[in-house]
Amino acid sequence: DAKTTQPPSMDCAEGRAANLPCNHSTISGNEYVYWYRQIHSQGPQYIIHGLKNNETNEMASLIITEDRKSSTLILPHATLRDTAVYYCIVRGGTGTASKLTFGTGTRLQVTL
Amino acid sequence: NAGVTQTPKFQVLKTGQSMTLQCAQDMNHEYMSWYRQDPGMGLRLIHYSVGAGITDQGEVPNGYNVSRSTTEDFPLRLLSAAPSQTSVYFCASRSDGISYEQYFGPGTRLTVT
Repeated sequence: DAKTTQPPSMDCAEGRAANLPCNHSTISGNEYVYWYRQIHSQGPQYIIHGLKNNETNEMASLIITEDRKSSTLILPHATLRDTAVYYCIVRGGTGTASKLTFGTGTRLQVTL
Repeated sequence: NAGVTQTPKFQVLKTGQSMTLQCAQDMNHEYMSWYRQDPGMGLRLIHYSVGAGITDQGEVPNGYNVSRSTTEDFPLRLLSAAPSQTSVYFCASRSDGISYEQYFGPGTRLTVT
């Protein structure tokens, strides 16, 4: 599985967009990019996933570069409730979506 | 729907004791997984199941057993607890082969002394 690199922490002002980067330079063609978050030691929560196209849902947008070596998760209007650890995970195919390995992620602190 | 439930929420064991962590889901999901999260770390996969009667090992299976006799339940058994198994344990489920979203339970915080 491709290894991912994320900054350990980021700050964002409430109401502003939070842009969380992830580097996955060794990603292979059949591997998906998943984003989960974990709020204060609760169980992780799925946010979004993508293969090569940009994706958007009610929670966030996922921008994947054309060469697929990096991606950015965008929370368009961050709130205090978005304070959490965000995990970027790369894994291949639907059959492996239950077999994820979470790194240490990015701790996002949203402030007033 | 209650989603994914885990019991107990907290547990303290002595070295060498055995116990079972319970996980149940009421969403009729085929796929279920067990992860552990050590302090300050991400989650690592212990065991997973793709349906009743089918289980397989994950990244860190040693010291743990699982079985899947029903779709709803996926218990995790610690055979002989060790201090290295002090961790938070999360159970997760997913609906089928075309779904990518895992639903996680609230976790069981286990301390082995």
